[in-house]
Amino acid sequence: GDSVTQTEGPVTVSESESLIINCTYSATSIAYPNLFWYVRYPGEGLQLLLKVITAGQKGSSRGFEATYNKETTSFHLQKASVQESDSAVYYCALGPNMGYKLTFGTGTSLLVDP
Amino acid sequence: GGIITQTPKFLIGQEGQKLTLKCQQNFNHDTMYWYRQDSGKGLRLIYYSITENDLQKGDLSEGYDASREKKSSFSLTVTSAQKNEMAVFLCASSIGAANTEVFFGKGTRLTVV
Repeated sequence: GDSVTQTEGPVTVSESESLIINCTYSATSIAYPNLFWYVRYPGEGLQLLLKVITAGQKGSSRGFEATYNKETTSFHLQKASVQESDSAVYYCALGPNMGYKLTFGTGTSLLVDP
Repeated sequence: GGIITQTPKFLIGQEGQKLTLKCQQNFNHDTMYWYRQDSGKGLRLIYYSITENDLQKGDLSEGYDASREKKSSFSLTVTSAQKNEMAVFLCASSIGAANTEVFFGKGTRLTVV
């Protein structure tokens, strides 16, 4: 079946440092998967951070970026300079172009030290 | 903006008990979902519904029933709670398929004693 593997947390980074959270995927049942990063801030529900539906394209939001790499089946999340407010749990996910099931990774807890 | 409200926030049940979790959304979305999250695991899809009165099984539907009697609400029933079961159940909604933005509630934490 389909699966997503991401950096095991918790990850601790100092404010203004760079961040990378790795995500690799296996899409055996989906020919052209859509890729997503969802985030859960403390006390909030999961929310979409960014998505990319075409291989080779980059998505960005709130200073975060991720590039859909079909060759390496990766969708790593990067930010050049993190802020304390980025402390949250980040989930990589994949889904079909037209369909209803999202496959999630286990989540990566990020703590940014002020 | 809209909101997804899940009730209750915490649910403690006994082994063998039938338990119902409720979810309301005011986005006017067509599609609603129930996911289960166990500690250290990703979210797994239990049921989804693409319109009022529609039900579709996900990967984890055994042991659960669902009901979508109104567009705005989607309930999930644990038909027989398993002892030592502990998980967070997340309700979600989207305007269409999962390639559109999916909005999640804050979850119901279930503990079975």
